[in-house]
Amino acid sequence: AQRVTQPEKLLSVFKGAPVELKCNYSYSGSPELFWYVQYSRQRLQLLLRHISRESIKGFTADLNKGETSFHLKKPFAQEEDSAMYYCALSSSGGSYIPTFGRGTSLIVHP
Amino acid sequence: DTGVSQNPRHKITKRGQNVTFRCDPISEHNRLYWYRQTLGQGPEFLTYFQNEAQLEKSRLLSDRFSAERPKGSFSTLEIQRTEQGDSAMYLCASRPTGVWTETQYFGPGTRLLVL
Repeated sequence: AQRVTQPEKLLSVFKGAPVELKCNYSYSGSPELFWYVQYSRQRLQLLLRHISRESIKGFTADLNKGETSFHLKKPFAQEEDSAMYYCALSSSGGSYIPTFGRGTSLIVHP
Repeated sequence: DTGVSQNPRHKITKRGQNVTFRCDPISEHNRLYWYRQTLGQGPEFLTYFQNEAQLEKSRLLSDRFSAERPKGSFSTLEIQRTEQGDSAMYLCASRPTGVWTETQYFGPGTRLLVL
């Protein structure tokens, strides 16, 4: 069975501080990992995915298969980063049915 | 707005009543997904369609739940004999098929409250 664990329900930082939102997963095959974000009063949207190896809005995430982690990082948090962040996993190829973590609420204080 | 739309946005019903939700995906997307999200949790997969075919259903989708996508465009999710435990946000998402197009586009959700 595939599982995604986001250990922090809430992460509170000050503007300009580094941010790391943790995500650990369990999956026996070759996973596809994603981060989704939901800003206040907006719909859930994709932030980034590991296969793209991209940086979006200053966020990056590296898949560490040895530690089964896919932590989301940003060196300098901005107030507009305040949102709910969900880590998700799906099997590579096929039906693409993601399993989501419970989410981490990031609050960036001015 | 060419995004995924869902109606109604909110629904309050009494226990035992039936409710039906509608999802209109992005027009060229042939895959459509339904999720349920309860407070403090991430979205949980319920079922998905490729065109009009329902290809997979979660164990969460009890006999009281039924989903259809008769013409491969919009979809409906019906809950019969609602229970208080059905109170949740019901999310719909769509995506095109293709190796690199794994992105799902989510709708705003329908929030259900069962009294």
